[in-house]
Amino acid sequence: AQSVAQPEDQVNVAEGNPLTVKCTYSVSGNPYLFWYVQYPNRGLQFLLKYITGDNLVKGSYGFEAEFNKSQTSFHLKKPSALVSDSALYFCAVRDPSGAGSYQLTFGKGTKLSVIP
Amino acid sequence: EAQVTQNPRYLITVTGKKLTVTCSQNMNHEYMSWYRQDPGLGLRQIYYSMNVEVTDKGDVPEGYKVSRKEKRNFPLILESPSPNQTSLYFCASGTGGSPLHFGNGTRLTVT
Repeated sequence: AQSVAQPEDQVNVAEGNPLTVKCTYSVSGNPYLFWYVQYPNRGLQFLLKYITGDNLVKGSYGFEAEFNKSQTSFHLKKPSALVSDSALYFCAVRDPSGAGSYQLTFGKGTKLSVIP
Repeated sequence: EAQVTQNPRYLITVTGKKLTVTCSQNMNHEYMSWYRQDPGLGLRQIYYSMNVEVTDKGDVPEGYKVSRKEKRNFPLILESPSPNQTSLYFCASGTGGSPLHFGNGTRLTVT
C-alpha cells in the first residue's frame, strides 16, 4: 500500500524568506509524485509533478521540489515566499505499476502561513 | 475550457434524505474519483472509476454509492445521509501520467 506523510501541520515563514514544506512517501514501485495547493473555498490546483528524469522539478508560481529516492522525500521549496503563497499544500503519490495505477494517495496537508 | 464541474457547491440537508452530488468532466478522461476532505485527515478517497461501468471502493466507501453510465459523469449518491457525512467533497478526473483535475468542491452539511 502506498502512503504519504507530511510531518508538519503548519509552517510559518516571513515574507521574502525561503520556504520548505516537507513530504515523505512509501510506495512499492517507482513513484509518481505531485504537489497540489488549495486556496480557501477552492478545489485543489496542480503545482508540479515528478515522473522521471531530473530530480529537481520546477512548477507553477516559482515553486520547485526535489525528489530524493534514498530518503523517499519530495520536499516543496520556494526561494522567496510571498504572502499570496499562504494556503494549504498537499503532497500526493501514485504507483503507476499497480492494478489501481491511477490511484492517488494524499498526505494530510500542511498549512503555510507567510507573515508580512 | 477543460474542467471538472460539481453541483451543488453548498448543500444543507437532514438525516435520511437521499441526495446526489453531480460531477461532470469535459476532457474525455477514463479515470474519475470522489474524495472527502475533513480537518486533520486530508483527502480520503470514497470511490473511483477506471472507465464506464467500472467502479471500485476507495478508503471510506461506507454510506456512499456511485455510478458511471457515461464517461463524462460520475455522480455521488448518499441514500440515507448521516451527520458524520458532513464534509467537503471533491470530484477529480485524470488520464495517463497527467495530474488529476479537481472540481471546486461541494460543502455538505447533514443535520
